[in-house]
Amino acid sequence: QVQLQESGPGLVKPSGTLSLTCAVSGGSISTSNWWSWVRQPPGKGLEWIGEIYHSGSTNYNSSLKSRVIISVDKSKNQFSLKLSSVTAADTAVYYCARRNWVSHAFDIWGQGTMVTVSS
Amino acid sequence: EIVLTQSPGTLSLSPGERATLSCRASQSVSSSYLAWYQQKPGQAPRLLVSGSSIRATGIPDRFSGSGSGTDFTLTISRLEPEDFAVYYCQQYGNSPPYTFGQGTKLEIK
Repeated sequence: QVQLQESGPGLVKPSGTLSLTCAVSGGSISTSNWWSWVRQPPGKGLEWIGEIYHSGSTNYNSSLKSRVIISVDKSKNQFSLKLSSVTAADTAVYYCARRNWVSHAFDIWGQGTMVTVSS
Repeated sequence: EIVLTQSPGTLSLSPGERATLSCRASQSVSSSYLAWYQQKPGQAPRLLVSGSSIRATGIPDRFSGSGSGTDFTLTISRLEPEDFAVYYCQQYGNSPPYTFGQGTKLEIK
């Protein structure tokens, strides 16, 4: 079955760029599903960041749009997140997730990766 | 942007009891686009229900979702010890952003 695995630095300096990758295994990224990033600050709720289709089409949360780029690499079966000009408020667990094309819900999630913004 | 408000913030119940969790939207949400997730400490969220009432694969039938318009409910008919967790509702309408409620913590009384 499809599995997702996030990877990337766990520590990013303020004003720097957070970069994460989500590897898709057990299935192709080139399906009718959309591929999302969701984050969760410590002790808080979930925030949707944005999503990408295998064609490269993207949707972003307007609250983060000016700082976010999501890209896809079909040859590696993975997609990536870049969040620029980070501050301590961007400290969170970052999840990648699949938005199922039938149910439209997030049916598969990665385990999450903690990213701390600190000097 | 559609805001989802969950109540109560914390629900204290005993195993075997019935749990009723509420999710209210700031504007009408298509029933097809309302989901519920369960999250345990240190774990990713798990999809329980989509389309307001369709259980995801492998989800026990003690979990049921209902509602329409702006008011949605997740009911757990008889609580098992493993059901104590945080529950989030989420809407994923025709266009983003896809928003989550702030969560309801279901704790053991």
